[in-house]
Amino acid sequence: DAKTTQPTSMDCAEGRAANLPCNHSTISGNEYVYWYRQIHSQGPQYIIHGLKNNETNEMASLIITEDRKSSTLILPHATLRDTAVYYCIGNGGTASKLTFGTGTRLQVTL
Amino acid sequence: NAGVTQTPKFRVLKTGQSMTLLCAQDMNHEYMYWYRQDPGMGLRLIHYSVGEGTTAKGEVPDGYNVSRLKKQNFLLGLESAAPSQTSVYFCASRSYQASTDTQYFGPGTRLTVL
Repeated sequence: DAKTTQPTSMDCAEGRAANLPCNHSTISGNEYVYWYRQIHSQGPQYIIHGLKNNETNEMASLIITEDRKSSTLILPHATLRDTAVYYCIGNGGTASKLTFGTGTRLQVTL
Repeated sequence: NAGVTQTPKFRVLKTGQSMTLLCAQDMNHEYMYWYRQDPGMGLRLIHYSVGEGTTAKGEVPDGYNVSRLKKQNFLLGLESAAPSQTSVYFCASRSYQASTDTQYFGPGTRLTVL
């Protein structure tokens, strides 16, 4: 699985877009990029994943660079409930053993 | 459809005691996982299973054993608890399909070993 690098923490004003970057320069061609988040001490929650193309769902958008060495998770209108730790994970093994780093702690403020 | 449930939610053990954590999923998923999370850290994989009757070691398997006798259940055992095993334990399951390869996590079990 690819090693990922994320900023330790970020702040975002409520109502604004939150853009969370992730570097995954060692990602291989068949590895997907996954994003999860963990609110307070709850179990992690799946957000979105992608391989090459940009993806969007009801929670967020995922922008993957053409060389696939980095990606950005976009929460278009952040709310206080989006305050959480966000994990970017490269994953492509047959058993998909997700390797969680320490993630980015996003603080959404009024 | 309850998703992934974990039993118990909290537990306090004394050093040397044993216990079993139960994870149950009702989504007919093949894969199941046990993670631990220490304060301020990310999740670390303890053991996982790719199907009924199979188990495999993860990143930090020492001091733990697992069993998957039924597809819907994944048990994590601590034979002789140590203070270093104080942590929050999360179970997860997933169905391996390329377009929906996501893990669903339980609410966690908070274990304290005195």
